[in-house]
This record gives sequence, C-alpha cells and structure tokens, in this order.
Amino acid sequence: NAGVTQTPKFQVLKTGQSMTLQCAQDMNHNSMYWYRQDPGMGLRLIYYSASEGTTDKGEVPNGYNVSRLNKREFSLRLESAAPSQTSVYFCASSGTSGDTQYFGPGTRLTVL
Amino acid sequence: LAKTTQPISMDSYEGQEVNITCSHNNIATNDYITWYQQFPSQGPRFIIQGYKTKVTNEVASLFIPADRKSSTLSLPRVSLSDTAVYYCLVGGYGGATNKLIFGTGTLLAVQP
Repeated sequence: NAGVTQTPKFQVLKTGQSMTLQCAQDMNHNSMYWYRQDPGMGLRLIYYSASEGTTDKGEVPNGYNVSRLNKREFSLRLESAAPSQTSVYFCASSGTSGDTQYFGPGTRLTVL
Repeated sequence: LAKTTQPISMDSYEGQEVNITCSHNNIATNDYITWYQQFPSQGPRFIIQGYKTKVTNEVASLFIPADRKSSTLSLPRVSLSDTAVYYCLVGGYGGATNKLIFGTGTLLAVQP
C-alpha cells in the first residue's frame, strides 16, 4: 500500500516548456487535490477533484490544467511554464471532501 | 471562503505543553477544523480533526469553543522531533465546501 505517489520528484524546465505532473493513490479515495507551496509559504490549492470525472478550481488555478483520468490518477499540466510556477507541488487525496487528506512526497519544479 | 490566522512562529522547550491557536472568524456551519504537521521537504501529515468542543487522540488535543471562531491545538510534552510547521485547515465535510484553505502555518521550534 503505497498511499499517494507523485512523479517526477524533481524537474527543471525552461520558460515556455510544457509538462505533466502525475499523481496516483491506492486508497480508493474519491477526492484528490493539487497544491503548490512556495518557499516559506503555506500550501495553496490549485485544483480539486471531488470524484472521477469532476474537477474544480482552487485558489490559484491560472496557468494550470488538470485531468482526473480515473479514480486513482489525477494529473496536473503546465502548458507553458513560467518562472512564477517554480514551486513544490503536492498531490493529496481524501475519502470525501473535507475528510483527512493524505499527501504525496511532492515534486520540486524549477522554471528557468 | 473560511480563511485562518495563526501565529507565524512559537518557541518551546522539551517536555513543555504547547498550545497553538487558530482564528477562523467566518467558519461555516458545515466546516470541520483540521490540523496538519509538516516537516521540511515532506508533505503535510494529519494530526487531528474536530467540529466542536474537545477532541483527543494519541498525539494531540483540539479545543473548539462554542462559537467555533477559533481552535487550539495542544501538544503535550513536546520533544525535539515536534519541531515542524503546523497548519490549521477549515473546510467542509462531505463536499459542501470544496475550496479548502490552509493557513499560513506556525513554525514550532522546540529546544533542548
């Protein structure tokens, strides 16, 4: 039982490049989340998925797209990366909205 | 959206009880209060969740007054390994409020 896994762990992009961050959970959770955490800051919600097939914007959705591929997987895509998107990205899941969230180990992204 | 306010930092010594208070003046009726702990380079980890009055588990207690506009996380007899950032999160249970907001976090530094 791996919990929440994220790939890659580290990534360096040039401005304008695109990439997809992958997240998977094996706890049969309905809800999944993407957060970003800037140095010395708290977590900010980017997008949220209450259940398979649904997504909703969080606090800072601009510049990102998401796909809830199935119940297990929730991906985050940067179409045209910008230096302002340099951050650590965390994926999380919970049984239902508001329930305890379980976090992945994070992806450290640097955009040059 | 139910925003939260916490002290930026707190200092303590090993063996002391630590109380961290979070303000959430515009908490909604169906919002729960959840606390997370985060160590450097790791995702947050669930500590405790409550709706009203007092909740206790093996690691902490959570005190919530009748008006629910604040909550206090109590850590008994802290050790050096409790040095971390603690986040207060207010959000709906069951999908009614899905835009979850993490507070700024409180950096607890425990000294020998």
